[in-house]
Formats: sequence, C-alpha cells, structure tokens
Amino acid sequence: SAVISQKPSRDICQRGTSLTIQCQVDSQVTMMFWYRQQPGQSLTLIATANQGSEATYESGFVIDKFPISRPNLTFSTLTVSNMSPEDSSIYLCSATMASGSYEQYFGPGTRLTVT
Amino acid sequence: GENVEQHPSTLSVQEGDSAVIKCTYSDSASNYFPWYKQELGKGPQLIIDIRSNVGEKKDQRIAVTLNKTAKHFSLHITETQPEDSAVYFCAASIGYNFNKFYFGSGTKLNVKP
Repeated sequence: SAVISQKPSRDICQRGTSLTIQCQVDSQVTMMFWYRQQPGQSLTLIATANQGSEATYESGFVIDKFPISRPNLTFSTLTVSNMSPEDSSIYLCSATMASGSYEQYFGPGTRLTVT
Repeated sequence: GENVEQHPSTLSVQEGDSAVIKCTYSDSASNYFPWYKQELGKGPQLIIDIRSNVGEKKDQRIAVTLNKTAKHFSLHITETQPEDSAVYFCAASIGYNFNKFYFGSGTKLNVKP
C-alpha cells in the first residue's frame, strides 16, 4: 500500500482567491488523480495528473479553473482558481502503485470552505 | 461511459448482525471492483477488491461477490461491530483503463451497539 499526505488539511478562503493543494506519496506510483467530494456525496474525478505533461480533465472540469502539476512521480498539486462558494468541497488526491496492481489509494482530503 | 448504482443509501443493523451492500454496473468491459470505507473526516480506505475472473473473495469478516452475467457485485460484512459504522463506496474500473474508477453513490452503515 501507500501513504498519501495532503496539505493543507483544511482552509477557509475568500471568494475570488486561489488555493493550491499539495499531494505527496511515500512510494513509487504510476497514476495520480484528483477528486472532488461534496458533503455527503460520492467522489467525482476532476482529472488525471500526468507526469511531465498536461493533466487529463474530465467533462465539466477545465484547466483554467483547476490547474494541476505533477513535476515528479510522487508529487502533485491542484489549484482551485478564482474560487466561489460553489467550490466549497473536499478535494482528494489518489494514486495507483507502480507495482502494477489495480489498487488505488486515497489521501486524507483537503476540506475547502469558500466564503 | 460506465454507470454504477449502489443500494441501499443507508443501512442500520444491530451489532453482530450481517450487512449487505449491493452495486450494479452497466459496462460489461469493467473488470475490477474495489470497495472503500470512509470514516468521518478521512479519505476513502480500500478494504477489499475483486477482479472479474473471480466470483468471490473473503478477508476475515468481509467478503465480496461478483456476478458478471447480471453485472452486479456485493459487499458482505459479518458479525458487524460499531467500528464498522462508516460510509461504504463501491467502484468499477473499465477493462482497458483500470485506473479510471466510477464510484457508486455510497451507503451509510450504522451499527448499533
């Protein structure tokens, strides 16, 4: 398995500002992902973070709003830009192991509140 | 794309009883089915998974069954304990792209002592 950490764990931000969330994995991984989870809801995939190239976004999510970086195999960032109250949510990072298994592990999440 | 439906949305059982959560999927190409447990304020934790070439898998009090023909899979928890109380999510992964998961809507399990 893998241990995934996220920073910050929570934040309260003002409308119109941006927040960058960091995700660090303690072992070699292949794929890294970013999800959004509204309170009491399921997980929605935002994008796949690709190392050294642009992230692959899911329908309804765009790079200008959620720029993602992945400078190396074990680290990725998600920025939530020009925030509005509708962006209040939990943002989760996940990763699959380089061992070739299908297992996907999640970080503890970042709870974002936009006022 | 794949569509995963999960039932029930809430489940309340007495400690010691069994709990069953069911999911159906739409795409016959799906061949990996994990289950996650999410406790309040935490990220989802992988608790068990099954691949399409297997019909059943057990890990102590937890088991998962898969019916490929009917396109449904289930999580079975026996001898439930209060610490099993959490939200459980099923997911399905399309065969050619194992890493993209489609999640069910979640089941809130409450185990009453």
